[in-house]
Amino acid sequence: GAVVSQHPSWVICKSGTSVKIECRSLDFQATTMFWYRQFPKQSLMLMATSNEGSKATYEQGVEKDKFLINHASLTLSTLTVTSAHPEDSSFYICSARAGSGGLAGNTIYFGEGSWLTVV
Amino acid sequence: GEDVEQSLFLSVREGDSSVINCTYTDSSSTYLYWYKQEPGAGLQLLTYIFSNMDMKQDQRLTVLLNKKDKHLSLRIADTQTGDSAIYFCAETNSGTYKYIFGTGTRLKVLA
Repeated sequence: GAVVSQHPSWVICKSGTSVKIECRSLDFQATTMFWYRQFPKQSLMLMATSNEGSKATYEQGVEKDKFLINHASLTLSTLTVTSAHPEDSSFYICSARAGSGGLAGNTIYFGEGSWLTVV
Repeated sequence: GEDVEQSLFLSVREGDSSVINCTYTDSSSTYLYWYKQEPGAGLQLLTYIFSNMDMKQDQRLTVLLNKKDKHLSLRIADTQTGDSAIYFCAETNSGTYKYIFGTGTRLKVLA
C-alpha cells in the first residue's frame, strides 16, 4: 500500500539552530501534503497545508517564518524549524494526499512522525 | 470552526468490548476516520466511514455513525492488551482534505 516516510524519526538540536524534517511519498504522487504538530498527551494540530509548487497555507497562530515549508516536488515536502527553541520540542507528523485512487479518492496517508527535542 | 470531541480515557478488561465515542460539529463532513496511535509512534488508520453510511464492520471493529446527532463510535470486540493505545477520530470533507482530529481517547486494557 501507499507509504509516507518521514526523516529523521528522532532529532535533537541545540537551541538557536535550524532543523529540517522531510516527508516523502514513496509510491504515489502527493499533490497536497499536510504538517501536524502533536504536543505530549494532546491531539494533532494542523500547522500548514502545502501544495506542490506553491506557497504553503498556514493555520492561524502558526509562524510561517519560523516553520518553513517547501513542497518542491510531488513526492517531497520539507518542514524547517528555524532558530529552534525548547518550546518547539514536539512530535511532528506529515500526511500526503494521493492525487487519485486510494481508498475512496480522498485518501490521506500519514508518515510515522518525527520527534524533535531542542536542548 | 470545526470541533471534534472525545472522552479522554477508557479502561476495559481483556475480552470485553470497548466503545469509544466521538462527536463532531462540521455538518459538511464527508469522511470520518478512526486512527490508532501507540506510544511514540505515528498514526495507524484503522477504518473509515463515508458520511452516507450508518455502520461499517471490519473484523473486530464496528463503526456507527449517527449523522443527525453528529456522533461517531468505534466498537472493538474482544479487546486485547495489544489494543491499548490512543484512538483518534478525525473528520474531513472533500473540499479541503484537511483533517480535524479529536482530542484522542486513551484506551487501557486490563489483563
